[in-house]
Amino acid sequence: DAGVIQSPRHEVTEMGQEVTLRCKPISGHDYLFWYRQTMMRGLELLIYFNNNVPIDDSGMPEDRFSAKMPNASFSTLKIQPSEPRDSAVYFCASRGYEQYFGPGTRLTVT
Amino acid sequence: KNQVEQSPQSLIILEGKNCTLQCNYTVSPFSNLRWYKQDTGRGPVSLTIMTFSENTKSNGRYTATLDADTKQSSLHITASQLSDSASYICVVTGLSNFGNEKLTFGTGTRLTIIP
Repeated sequence: DAGVIQSPRHEVTEMGQEVTLRCKPISGHDYLFWYRQTMMRGLELLIYFNNNVPIDDSGMPEDRFSAKMPNASFSTLKIQPSEPRDSAVYFCASRGYEQYFGPGTRLTVT
Repeated sequence: KNQVEQSPQSLIILEGKNCTLQCNYTVSPFSNLRWYKQDTGRGPVSLTIMTFSENTKSNGRYTATLDADTKQSSLHITASQLSDSASYICVVTGLSNFGNEKLTFGTGTRLTIIP
């Protein structure tokens, strides 16, 4: 298995633009998590899905953030409009018994 | 309020030495506690998962302990190697009023092994 796949690995965009981050979880895992990590705040859980259904989105910072999981093999995290304070590394993780993280997407909003 | 506190914030030790990282939490009700290792520029990698009934769990040179009564966990690294240099993050899973999982993260311990 290739593990959790995230794309793009790096994204640089201007303030106000829409950003879409993508994640392919490990096949057979029924949980999918989106995290954000910054130096100031550390690792934060944004939202997680169980069997493609959003369970807890209380970590999503504001309405500019949205996440979808249309099927068991794909999820997106969208930021619209993006702001400089959204600059961070965004991780996707999937879990069966163990939780496995993807390599992350480093987002820079200028 | 659910909290996870890790200590020390950073630690520098000589290669070959042992060290212990601490994690204290106030999460309730408790479901499990995970230790992760995160290398610079990489995603976290799970080292151990501990449930309420488990006191000790080992993964190679890593040994985690859990005292559910005092709400403390430790991660002991034996015979440290240069590749152990990383951040170690403690994550405690609790349950919400609705039965959903609630994850609370520590801010991590930055470990540096010097030759």
